[in-house]
Amino acid sequence: GAVVSQHPSRVICKSGTSVKIECRSLDFQATTMFWYRQFPKQSLMLMATSNEGSKATYEQGVEKDKFLINHASLTLSTLTVTSAHPEDSSFYICSAPRPGATDTQYFGPGTRLTVL
Amino acid sequence: GQNIDQPTEMTATEGAIVQINCTYQTSGFNGLFWYQQHAGEAPTFLSYNVLDGLEEKGRFSSFLSRSKGYSYLLLKELQMKDSASYLCAVRDHATNAGKSTFGDGTTLTVKP
Repeated sequence: GAVVSQHPSRVICKSGTSVKIECRSLDFQATTMFWYRQFPKQSLMLMATSNEGSKATYEQGVEKDKFLINHASLTLSTLTVTSAHPEDSSFYICSAPRPGATDTQYFGPGTRLTVL
Repeated sequence: GQNIDQPTEMTATEGAIVQINCTYQTSGFNGLFWYQQHAGEAPTFLSYNVLDGLEEKGRFSSFLSRSKGYSYLLLKELQMKDSASYLCAVRDHATNAGKSTFGDGTTLTVKP
């Protein structure tokens, strides 16, 4: 079964609003989670690394004030897209490595965001 | 940084064998992953190579040559459901555990 969940799976919002996406590890504790974005027919682009108990590490070109990440517990990381615009419409996917199992990375099912 | 190349599209026939290549250039290396991704879904893990050689898992095998910066994914006895995008991802030794850079993916179409 799934080991990483995301909520919501799909969201449609108006331009200017904020959207929160949750990523949960279901049967293990994840001190690190990763947030990716994928535009149609493109590959996954890493946005940021979410670290439990500390600030997220953002990739170059990703605005940390626009994409707020909070890793409040060992099983939950949230990504908030603030003041969303149509160009933020994308497929957002989180992933989490299982501690001690460096040969795998579990992906959540993804969240399809559409900004009108 | 990392540079990962794989073919954009491939077509194969049901029941056949197909090999998807991936070449990479990286400042550090801590493993190479292959993922399968169907349209509209998240990637699913297929294989992991960190040492040179072939890893076999049923109909899927993956090969790695670190000296050549080269990997391939071999799919045998192709089925229609294997039509998907296949992503090669390299984990940089200098980064956090699990942080990977993805290639653009190879869209495989399996025809009857």
